[in-house]
Amino acid sequence: EVQLVESGGGLVQPGGSLRLSCAASGFSVSNNYMSWVRQAPGRGLQWVSFIYSPTGTHYEDSVKGRFTISRHDSKNILYLQMDSLRTEDTAVYYCARGPYCGGDCQVNWGQGTLVTVSS
Amino acid sequence: QLVLTQSPSASASLGASVKLTCTLTSGHSTYAIAWHQQQPEKGPRFLMKLHTDGTHFKGDGIPDRFSGSSSGAERYLTISSLQSEDEADYYCQTWGTGIQVFGGGTKLTVL
Repeated sequence: EVQLVESGGGLVQPGGSLRLSCAASGFSVSNNYMSWVRQAPGRGLQWVSFIYSPTGTHYEDSVKGRFTISRHDSKNILYLQMDSLRTEDTAVYYCARGPYCGGDCQVNWGQGTLVTVSS
Repeated sequence: QLVLTQSPSASASLGASVKLTCTLTSGHSTYAIAWHQQQPEKGPRFLMKLHTDGTHFKGDGIPDRFSGSSSGAERYLTISSLQSEDEADYYCQTWGTGIQVFGGGTKLTVL
């Protein structure tokens, strides 16, 4: 069974840093297109970043240079290192397998972890 | 620029059908999309992937009441025999080289 479990969220001051983790089971993060998506309070879903071996790492413009996506293949964990955090980064952060997989496959979502950036 | 457009809201009666629309920008009319459902206070749930020819691939456990179709740059999600638990936000998502995009979401109210 595919499962994604995020952790690492919390309260951080503006300018601070946080690292989110997404522990995967039932598949290998190294072989898959893995995404981070966020949802600010009362807002819609927003793509943040994805990592996919054939194409590398990619970021939404507002987080470029501040966020870094990576993975630990042997631990099967996806990470999002968030630096220089701003109040507008406050959101629930979800990791997901997909949406791209080279064919027809499900998008699997984690339960989300809340990041609050506030002084 | 890759953009997905959704109507902010829709409503339909219990037991009726509703068709939600997601529109791709004209230069991206052949792109596949994914539909996701987000019930109140819950995380997103994958419903289906939908291709330009109207073929779709549904997620595990998604009822037959949920179906997809396509016409040009428009991608549709039809929900039939509406139930109270279908009241939710529905998002479309697409992807391209180095980018992903979500539509703004449609809030579905079941009357």
